[in-house]
Amino acid sequence: NAGVTQTPKFRILKIGQSMTLQCTQDMNHNYMYWYRQDPGMGLKLIYYSVGAGITDKGEVPNGYNVSRSTTEDFPLRLELAAPSQTSVYFCASSHKGTVYQETQYFGPGTRLLVL
Amino acid sequence: GENVEQHPSTLSVQEGDSAVIKCTYSDSASNYFPWYKQELGKRPQLIIDIRSNVGEKKDQRIAVTLNKTAKHFSLHITETQPEDSAVYFCAARGASKIIFGSGTRLSIRP
Repeated sequence: NAGVTQTPKFRILKIGQSMTLQCTQDMNHNYMYWYRQDPGMGLKLIYYSVGAGITDKGEVPNGYNVSRSTTEDFPLRLELAAPSQTSVYFCASSHKGTVYQETQYFGPGTRLLVL
Repeated sequence: GENVEQHPSTLSVQEGDSAVIKCTYSDSASNYFPWYKQELGKRPQLIIDIRSNVGEKKDQRIAVTLNKTAKHFSLHITETQPEDSAVYFCAARGASKIIFGSGTRLSIRP
C-alpha cells in the first residue's frame, strides 16, 4: 500500500491563479481530510469528507473547494490564490468503523507559496 | 464550538528526564484522543491514542492518561532521548471530526 499520496510536493503560484492539490489513498478509508499548517503553527481543518459524494466545511474553508467523487480521491481546489494561503497542506484519511477506531494517516504534504 | 487547548507551547527537558504535555477539550461527547508526533519537515504520525472507556494507556516510554470528568488528557514521555525532539499534537474526536491542539515543541537537551 502506498498509503496517502499528495501531488505536487511544492508549487509557487502568483496571486489570483488557481490550482488543484491532489490527494489519493489506497486503504479504502471512508473519511478524508484537508489541513493547512502555517509555519510553526498547528493543523487547521479546511474541509473533510465522510464518504464519496459527501463533504463538509472545517475551521478555515474560505478560498477553497473540495469534491469527493470516489472513495480514493479528495482534491482540494484553490481559486484566486492569495498570499494568506501560503502554507503546507496535508491530506489525511481514516477508517471510521467502530466508534473507538479512527487513526488518521497523513500524506507527505504539499508546500504552497503564493507570491 | 469544539476546541482543544494544549500546554505548554514549548518544552525543554534534560535528556533522561520526563516530559509532560497537557490538553483539555470542550466537547463532552469526545470519545477518542490521539497524539501525533511531527518531526521537522515531515508529516504528523500517530504515536499513541486512548479511547474514552480507558483511563490510561502505556507503550514503552510513552503513556497517556485521560480524565473524562475534567475533560483533560496528558502525554507522558519518560527517559527522554534526542530522537524525542519534535512537535507533539494532541487531538480529540468530537461529534463529527477530529480537532487538533496547537502543538508543543519538545527539545531534549544533551
